[in-house]
Parts: sequence; C-alpha cells; structure tokens
Amino acid sequence: GNSVTQMEGPVTLSEEAFLTINCTYTATGYPSLFWYVQYPGEGLQLLLKATKADDKGSNKGFEATYRKETTSFHLEKGSVQVSDSAVYFCALNPYGFQKLVFGTGTRLLVSP
Amino acid sequence: DTEVTQTPKHLVMGMTNKKSLKCEQHMGHRAMYWYKQKAKKPPELMFVYSYEKLSINESVPSRFSPECPNSSLLNLHLHALQPEDSALYLCASSQENEAGEQFFGPGTRLTVL
Repeated sequence: GNSVTQMEGPVTLSEEAFLTINCTYTATGYPSLFWYVQYPGEGLQLLLKATKADDKGSNKGFEATYRKETTSFHLEKGSVQVSDSAVYFCALNPYGFQKLVFGTGTRLLVSP
Repeated sequence: DTEVTQTPKHLVMGMTNKKSLKCEQHMGHRAMYWYKQKAKKPPELMFVYSYEKLSINESVPSRFSPECPNSSLLNLHLHALQPEDSALYLCASSQENEAGEQFFGPGTRLTVL
C-alpha cells in the first residue's frame, strides 16, 4: 500500500537554526512527492514538489530531494524564522491516482 | 487567478439544520475535492469530482451530499449532522497531470451544536 511516515513533533528551534523534518514513504510505482504547510487557522499551501527520483523541490528557502534509494523526501531550511512556525505535511500522490496520501504532520515552533 | 475560495469561513449549525459549503476555483482545473480535517490530524479525503462527475466517495455518510454544478464550483450540502462532524472542511482542485499537486482553499470551520 501507499503510506507516508513523518517525524513526531513538535520540533522546537531558535530563529536562524537549521531545520530538518524527516519524511519517508512506501508506494507502488513512482509517486509524486509534496510538502504542504498549514499556518494556524488556514488551509494547506503547497510548499514544494518533486515528481521523479533525484528531483529537488525548492521554495522560500525550503528544499527537499526525492531519494528513491532511501524512499525519503526530507524537508530542510538553512535558517528558520519565527514566521515559519506552522504544521508541515509530507504527502505523496501515486501516479495515475487522484488521492493524496498524507503523513501525520509535524508542528514546527520557532522562537525569537 | 491562482486560488481556491471557500465560503463561509465559519459556520455554526444545529443538528436539525440544512446548510451548504461552497468552493470555487478559476484555474481551469478539472478535478475538485472535499476533505475533512480534525484538530491535529491530516486532511481526510471525502469526495473527488473529475470532469464534473463524482469519481470517488470515501464511504462518507449520506448526511454529507456533494454537488458539482460546473467545472468551477463545488458544493457540500449538510443535513442532520452530528457534533462529531465539527471540523475544518477543505476544498481543493487539481489539473489532470503527472504531478497531481492539489491546491487548497482556506477552509470552512464547521461547528455542530
């Protein structure tokens, strides 16, 4: 089956610290991979995506690389800001389907 | 226009009320989705419409009734809901392409009394 596993949160960091949120997946075929971010009281925003092995998605200083050999799509940012505090969801879309499979989400708290 | 809009933003209803949630997108997407999200959980898929036809119903109770009047609009009709149906209801849309990314609206916060 298809599934996504994310690290448990919350992740608590000081401003300007380096961020890694781990995501691993199980899927048949070649899924597309996504990171979505949800700020308090809002819907989900697509943060970045990768559609094939070794693709690197990037946006707003965040990056993630599609690693087929380790079935991973870890989210990284070199220097977090207080405004990055949110819940981050890793997700996959099995090729040819219309169903996003989400991880459980990781809450990030950044303090000044 | 690259956004999905949802109305209302908040809704409080009694268990005997009938209400509707509305969703609109003008990105030319041909697939639209309803999700339910409980606190501290990921979204759960409820329905998928593809080319204005219902393609996926994730065994949702009949008190939730989706409708897709045209390719830009998606409604969710609510009737005889239970308090446990209180949640954030999210609408999303997508192209029919390889990547399959979905674009979400801001959601309707529903409270059932």
